[in-house]
Amino acid sequence: EAGVAQSPRYKIIEKRQSVAFWCNPISGHATLYWYQQILGQGPKLLIQFQNNGVVDDSQLPKDRFSAERLKGVDSTLKIQPAKLEDSAVYLCASSLEGTSTDTQYFGPGTRLTVL
Amino acid sequence: GDSVTQMEGPVTLSEEAFLTINCTYTATGYPSLFWYVQYPGEGLQLLLKATKADDKGSNKGFEATYRKETTSFHLEKGSVQVSDSAVYFCALSFPNDYKLSFGAGTTVTVRA
Repeated sequence: EAGVAQSPRYKIIEKRQSVAFWCNPISGHATLYWYQQILGQGPKLLIQFQNNGVVDDSQLPKDRFSAERLKGVDSTLKIQPAKLEDSAVYLCASSLEGTSTDTQYFGPGTRLTVL
Repeated sequence: GDSVTQMEGPVTLSEEAFLTINCTYTATGYPSLFWYVQYPGEGLQLLLKATKADDKGSNKGFEATYRKETTSFHLEKGSVQVSDSAVYFCALSFPNDYKLSFGAGTTVTVRA
């Protein structure tokens, strides 16, 4: 079974530029998550989708971050404009149903460096 | 708010040593508790979980018991191998708030 795919794996940009990350979840998984992991910290949820609807985006900085999940499958996360403090690893995860005991499967992440 | 506190690392051990990583949580109610592991160059993966008090999760020789009275979920392994070198994350979630709240992670290095 193919895992969660993410691209690109690495991205370096200058502040105020835009960047987009892509995620393809495990086939059949209804729930998709985007996490931000700053160096030395645990991952923090940015947004959760159930199919193509948003369940929780309370920690997404909406003035600069946006995310969509068209057709309930792939998802993109965008940052515009980027700030230095956005340097982090962006993790995508998916789960079958999105319940609290459901296992979340993580992709390899995209490491973003903002200069 | 809800939070997870993990033992600070890094932790360096010799092969066959006993490993304990402490994890305590602060939460109202009764969360589900998880340990995730990140091996070098790989994504996060679930190691074990427990969904109610006194449950014991186990996998790959690792164990953790959900202790409600001490709000803890310490990870243990009796005899570590070099292949156990990784970053370990404790996490929790609630039934009506499905997001995972993670601790900061503990880096473990096992030397031959």
